[in-house]
Amino acid sequence: NAGVMQNPRHLVRRRGQEARLRCSPMKGHSHVYWYRQLPEEGLKFMVYLQKENIIDESGMPKERFSAEFPKEGPSILRIQQVVRGDSAAYFCASSLIATGSFDEKLFFGSGTQLSVL
Amino acid sequence: AQSVTQLDSQVPVFEEAPVELRCNYSSSVSVYLFWYVQYPNQGLQLLLKYLSGSTLVKGINGFEAEFNKSQTSFHLRKPSVHISDTAEYFCAVSFQGAQKLVFGQGTRLTINP
Repeated sequence: NAGVMQNPRHLVRRRGQEARLRCSPMKGHSHVYWYRQLPEEGLKFMVYLQKENIIDESGMPKERFSAEFPKEGPSILRIQQVVRGDSAAYFCASSLIATGSFDEKLFFGSGTQLSVL
Repeated sequence: AQSVTQLDSQVPVFEEAPVELRCNYSSSVSVYLFWYVQYPNQGLQLLLKYLSGSTLVKGINGFEAEFNKSQTSFHLRKPSVHISDTAEYFCAVSFQGAQKLVFGQGTRLTINP
């Protein structure tokens, strides 16, 4: 059973380009979370999705950022018109059930390192 | 305000020495507490968690943590560290059962031979 798969591992973009980060949750998991880790900082929650639904996007910047988790396929975090401040490690996590109960573990991917030139 | 603070950004220790990584949080609501470890170029792995019950929680790899409600702390300890424990350690908190976790800034544990 493969773990949470994120790709690409490293993504380089120039200012103004679009970045698309993919996350394939563990098999059978329908809950996906995205976190961002800025240099020298801890992880910051961005968005929580279930299949085809955004449950909590309170940590998402209001502009340029969007996320989806379609019925088929991976979850996508999309950043339009990237700026240097978007450079960070983006982590995806998945769980079988909502982590509100916390009886189920949250599994993290290895992250995508986004570098904006 | 709800926040999580890891007081030490880096902790160097000698192999086989004990270690304590500190974590404090600020909250007026109930909390669930977690410690995660991140090895180089890998994702986060859960070390241990406190949901309820005994305040002393034992995790993987010989780590344990103690929930102290009066001091709003959840410090991580290991009596004897190994070179393989070199990693970044993150304390995380769920406030009032919220799905999202609030993470501390991380503590880099370096083990010297």
